[in-house]
Amino acid sequence: GESVGLHLPTLSVQEGDNSIINCAYSNSASDYFIWYKQESGKGPQFIIDIRSNMDKRQGQRVTVLLNKTVKHLSLQIAATQPGDSAVYFCAENSDAGGTSYGKLTFGQGTILTVHP
Amino acid sequence: KAGVTQTPRYLIKTRGQQVTLSCSPISGHRSVSWYQQTPGQGLQFLFEYFSETQRNKGNFPGRFSGRQFSNSRSEMNVSTLELGDSALYLCASSLGQKLFFGSGTQLSVL
Repeated sequence: GESVGLHLPTLSVQEGDNSIINCAYSNSASDYFIWYKQESGKGPQFIIDIRSNMDKRQGQRVTVLLNKTVKHLSLQIAATQPGDSAVYFCAENSDAGGTSYGKLTFGQGTILTVHP
Repeated sequence: KAGVTQTPRYLIKTRGQQVTLSCSPISGHRSVSWYQQTPGQGLQFLFEYFSETQRNKGNFPGRFSGRQFSNSRSEMNVSTLELGDSALYLCASSLGQKLFFGSGTQLSVL
């Protein structure tokens, strides 16, 4: 049959605004979550991670929030800059409790556009 | 420290051919994973290797295979290429749970 491309959610913000990107994950047993940033022509770049025994973790200009009750993850970017424009993916470890750290299940991604 | 290196960067093949992609992980990383990225399906896990052994495999047909060498470098092979195999193939290496990705090999099947 005909394949249909993913319709990625988009978020447009002004430079200096705060951005919030949301993600719903599928496996309630997942115990590790990562946010990646992917720019055109490049591979995903690690931003921040969080384990399931935490509900918040902060990095430089970024914060990840985890709500296990509703299986929801969010990435907050403070003072968004044009260089933050990219596709953002959440990912969960699908081998919770195991040793296969390399198997991640990725969300569909969100396109962030930052206007100067 | 050098990042994950994938070669070649671009590849054009025709249906029915086979292809081999190469990945050099970050020095000291023993785990290598492969992913396929397409506009239609997003990022999908292919397989993971650790110490030359396949540790996990995704839901792809047997035409997709891989291996890892004693120096942790990895290759993946796709035989009897189909148009639908056109994609960006990404390799990631890890020491613990953090995966670090290369820039990928863009494969076009004509």
